[in-house]
Amino acid sequence: NAGVTQTPKFRVLKTGQSMTLLCAQDMNHEYMYWYRQDPGMGLRLIHYSVGEGTTAKGEVPDGYNVSRLKKQNFLLGLESAAPSQTSVYFCASSSTQGLAGGRYNEQFFGPGTRLTVL
Amino acid sequence: AQSVTQLGSHVSVSEGALVLLRCNYSSSVPPYLFWYVQYPNQGLQLLLKYTSAATLVKGINGFEAEFKKSETSFHLTKPSAHMSDAAEYFCAVTSISNFGNEKLTFGTGTRLTIIP
Repeated sequence: NAGVTQTPKFRVLKTGQSMTLLCAQDMNHEYMYWYRQDPGMGLRLIHYSVGEGTTAKGEVPDGYNVSRLKKQNFLLGLESAAPSQTSVYFCASSSTQGLAGGRYNEQFFGPGTRLTVL
Repeated sequence: AQSVTQLGSHVSVSEGALVLLRCNYSSSVPPYLFWYVQYPNQGLQLLLKYTSAATLVKGINGFEAEFKKSETSFHLTKPSAHMSDAAEYFCAVTSISNFGNEKLTFGTGTRLTIIP
């Protein structure tokens, strides 16, 4: 089991360029998440998905788009990168069935992608 | 809305000393609480979790945390610090998204430094 993997590990972009970050998980998890981590701000949720073909906005969605065409993959896109998007991006997945069912949200994280926008 | 507050963005302890990292939560529903650890240049790894089964929760690497509802706290402790404990630690609480499914809300993190 590779768990959660992220591609690429590092990337440097110029302002206005676009790119896609790929997240893959082999645990058959229903839920997947994209976070960004900035110094002193913890992790902030960008977008998430509760299943194949579904996506939803998180806390800081502006400037990002996502797609979940396959259950195991969750893509994060930057259409026109800005210096404010310089950050470390983490993908996570979980298999919870929801609090109503008495389950809890244990998320498994990828190793991160360090993105610098010049 | 659910939230967590981690007191102290940086904590330094001597090797062999007690580690105490503080986390207070705010939740309108019975919370599920987590501590994650992040070693340098790595992703987050689950340290321990509280799911209402027991108030004292034991995790990996000798860490434990106690859920105190009256104090709305979930502080992380370890009796004797080791050099390998140097990392950043995040407290998180489960909250409900607008779609009715749960998500995690993270604290801002505490960087733990171990002094030889």
